[in-house]
Amino acid sequence: SQQGEEDPQALSIQEGENATMNCSYKTSINNLQWYRQNSGRGLVHLILIRSNEREKHSGRLRVTLDTSKKSSSLLITASRAADTASYFCAPDKAAGNKLTFGGGTRVLVKP
Amino acid sequence: EPEVTQTPSHQVTQMGQEVILRCVPISNHLYFYWYRQILGQKVEFLVSFYNNEISEKSEIFDDQFSVERPDGSNFTLKIRSTKLEDSAMYFCASCCRAQSYEQYFGPGTRLTVT
Repeated sequence: SQQGEEDPQALSIQEGENATMNCSYKTSINNLQWYRQNSGRGLVHLILIRSNEREKHSGRLRVTLDTSKKSSSLLITASRAADTASYFCAPDKAAGNKLTFGGGTRVLVKP
Repeated sequence: EPEVTQTPSHQVTQMGQEVILRCVPISNHLYFYWYRQILGQKVEFLVSFYNNEISEKSEIFDDQFSVERPDGSNFTLKIRSTKLEDSAMYFCASCCRAQSYEQYFGPGTRLTVT
């Protein structure tokens, strides 16, 4: 597997605002996944977008994928304090592969 | 919804001692993993397990580490002789149902080596 690089490293917003973070990767993928990690806890799978998809929604999450630019974005709309966490992307090639995580984007949602 | 469970949540051990970290993956998953996260650092892959054998391991996973799936439900990570630098959060994960790729992580075991 390959490591995705998240950008920005950190993001601070007010509750109710939208948060956008980006992920870049280097080689072709089958899918790209986004995970969230609350401080000191396990990672939680948020959403998966396949290489033949350009956009996907899940609740307040919107993910885009541009395979020509090898990049993805995650948008959290109407953020809540509970969205405070680190977010990681994981470009993936095949089922069962290990995931390789970068430094993530640390999101702080202020009440 | 099914979830991955891990025990214990916190383990304190002395340097040189053996520890066994336990995980119960999601029952119909086929792949099992251990990752670790040293405080303030990235989540790092240790080992993956498929079809009752190791499918891939990282450089971290040296001879001091071993994994087992002894009874078809539990998945264990053993560290034979712990070092101070083994102190970390250890996460178990499992994957995949048919046509799915998502890995489901447990809550982690915090290992403190003194």
